[in-house]
Amino acid sequence: EVQLVESGGGLVQPGRSMKLSCAASGFTFNNYDMAWVCQAPKKGLEWVATISYDGSSTYYRDSVKGRFTISRDNAKSTLYLQMDSLRSEDTATYYCARHRGVGCFDYWGQGVMVTVSS
Amino acid sequence: DVVLTQTPVSLSVTLGDQASISCRSSQSLEYSDGYTYLEWYLQKPGQSPQLLIYGVSNRFSGVPDRFIGSGSGTDFTLKISRVEPEDLGVYYCFQATHDPLTFGSGTKLEIK
Repeated sequence: EVQLVESGGGLVQPGRSMKLSCAASGFTFNNYDMAWVCQAPKKGLEWVATISYDGSSTYYRDSVKGRFTISRDNAKSTLYLQMDSLRSEDTATYYCARHRGVGCFDYWGQGVMVTVSS
Repeated sequence: DVVLTQTPVSLSVTLGDQASISCRSSQSLEYSDGYTYLEWYLQKPGQSPQLLIYGVSNRFSGVPDRFIGSGSGTDFTLKISRVEPEDLGVYYCFQATHDPLTFGSGTKLEIK
């Protein structure tokens, strides 16, 4: 059974950093591109970043470029999102998701809440 | 960025009836390889999103055949025949043809 379990969320002050983790199991992690998708409170879904299966390529939405870094440790089957210079508008639930080929996300984690507030 | 406009914003349907959701794109979603990277997701209350349809019309594993995706170019439709109680939630279309990847704003399906 495919499982994606996020951790690392919580309350953080504007301008500070936070690192999210996503532990994967039930599939061969290093065969799949992975992504982070976020959802602000009571809002819709927004793609954040994607990393290729081997970590050689990364892609970001413009609003997080230069502030967020997606990475992975295939030996640990874990995906990460390093979030720096956090802003109030980054407040959201962050989902880890597995890419099924190009684009679509076939499995999602349960999500982790990040609240940026002083 | 590609804008996906979903209509209606909300939909109230009687159990057993059909529901139809439209997703219109600001640009064609056919990629240069001939594939159209348009998907549909359902987010049930309090849950993570789940994949329903990929590549316009392909049902993901375990998705009932009551869910039918169709369309091409810039106009796409998700039809749900014989709506059941477990179908309630917010439906999102999504495109991965153009960077950045974008979701529609969602359609909330309620049961009358």
